Amino acid sequence: GAGVSQSPRYKVAKRGQDVALRCDPISGHVSLFWYQQALGQGPEFLTYFQNEAQLDKSGLPSDRFFAERPEGSVSTLKIQRTQQEDSAVYLCASSIGQGLSEQYFGPGTRLTVT
Amino acid sequence: QQPVQSPQAVILREGEDAVINCSSSKALYSVHWYRQKHGEAPVFLMILLKGGEQKGHDKISASFNEKKQQSSLYLTASQLSYSGTYFCGTEPRSGYALNFGKGTSLLVTP
Repeated sequence: GAGVSQSPRYKVAKRGQDVALRCDPISGHVSLFWYQQALGQGPEFLTYFQNEAQLDKSGLPSDRFFAERPEGSVSTLKIQRTQQEDSAVYLCASSIGQGLSEQYFGPGTRLTVT
Repeated sequence: QQPVQSPQAVILREGEDAVINCSSSKALYSVHWYRQKHGEAPVFLMILLKGGEQKGHDKISASFNEKKQQSSLYLTASQLSYSGTYFCGTEPRSGYALNFGKGTSLLVTP
């Protein structure tokens, strides 16, 4: 079946622009996670959802970052007034929810802020 | 709390074995292991729950010492395709997001 998909795969934004990154999780997966991965580092947690509820957004670096999952499936990560330090790969992952529940990652969106 | 991985990097010849370690200062519900190749998404390898349950690929083995909050990934008879960066991700409670280590870079040479 289809895996996790993300779009766009690459995004170049001028500093100050707003961007929206989309994640389509695996159908039926309850949990959805957003991570930020800087070059040469491990993924760092941003926020996560169970169905449409955003249960933890403690990893969002500033109030310029906003995420939503209004119908419990597709999620959008929005970054307002992008800064150079926002340049990274943004990974989305989904899982069935609990127990022996691995996370399946999408290919990521590479954001470059110039 | 970010788990600590060791070693940072390993170079192996094809057929050799390696062990990658992951330790946490916090009590854990589970440990996940992923491999990431350059420019690609992390790929699931293993999940180990406290209490002993685990799930993963047949050719990969791992252990989880709950008392020490440590996990080890065992790569035996390495193949060229094993090259990549290995991350452990720790889950403090069921269904929560993962805290990833900084990764262990593994290179398998012919």
